[in-house]
Amino acid sequence: EDKVVQSPLSLVVHEGDTVTLNCSYEVTNFRSLLWYKQEKKAPTFLFMLTSSGIEKKSGRLSSILDKKELFSILNITATQTGDSAIYLCAVQETYSGAGSYQLTFGKGTKLSVIP
Amino acid sequence: KAGVTQTPRYLIKTRGQQVTLSCSPISGHRSVSWYQQTPGQGLQFLFEYFSETQRNKGNFPGRFSGRQFSNSRSEMNVSTLELGDSALYLCASLRGGQQYFGPGTRLTVL
Repeated sequence: EDKVVQSPLSLVVHEGDTVTLNCSYEVTNFRSLLWYKQEKKAPTFLFMLTSSGIEKKSGRLSSILDKKELFSILNITATQTGDSAIYLCAVQETYSGAGSYQLTFGKGTKLSVIP
Repeated sequence: KAGVTQTPRYLIKTRGQQVTLSCSPISGHRSVSWYQQTPGQGLQFLFEYFSETQRNKGNFPGRFSGRQFSNSRSEMNVSTLELGDSALYLCASLRGGQQYFGPGTRLTVL
């Protein structure tokens, strides 16, 4: 059973549209939730969320976490073709003693922005 | 500051062979994690090293192993390669809870 579930799996929008990507999780010892953007190879870091209700923003991208309902959303406003990528959600758990920072990833949302 | 580097970038092997992949973390970062990415399974955690010690290991067979050196560089090894080992292998350098990924090594097993 998947611990991190992203939806939708794929999305096609037109330039200028606003999109909302979803990530729900079910882990025992939550530490943080991270969003990454993957275009060709290496996932690039977008946000790290640890507290509920505090929105993180970077340009046209924003994200928020709800620790009670166990989900996060990533919003992209005024989309551009350069936003086309796979967006990955990952959760870090707290492992007592070991101090590990293992990430558990969702399958990703493939976003395609057409002109 | 230079990013995470991985070598080689591409590799083609045949079944039964073994392979070693290398990762150099961002300067000053002491923790390195490895992930396997396939179209079907997505990104899956392999192992994590900190100061030359394996701190955590994912659910992979014993054919997958790794190590970290005193300069924080890390290697992972896969023995007796299988077709299903074809994947993008990503290394991540960790600091402050954030993981910074390298470009990956694309392994193809024929």
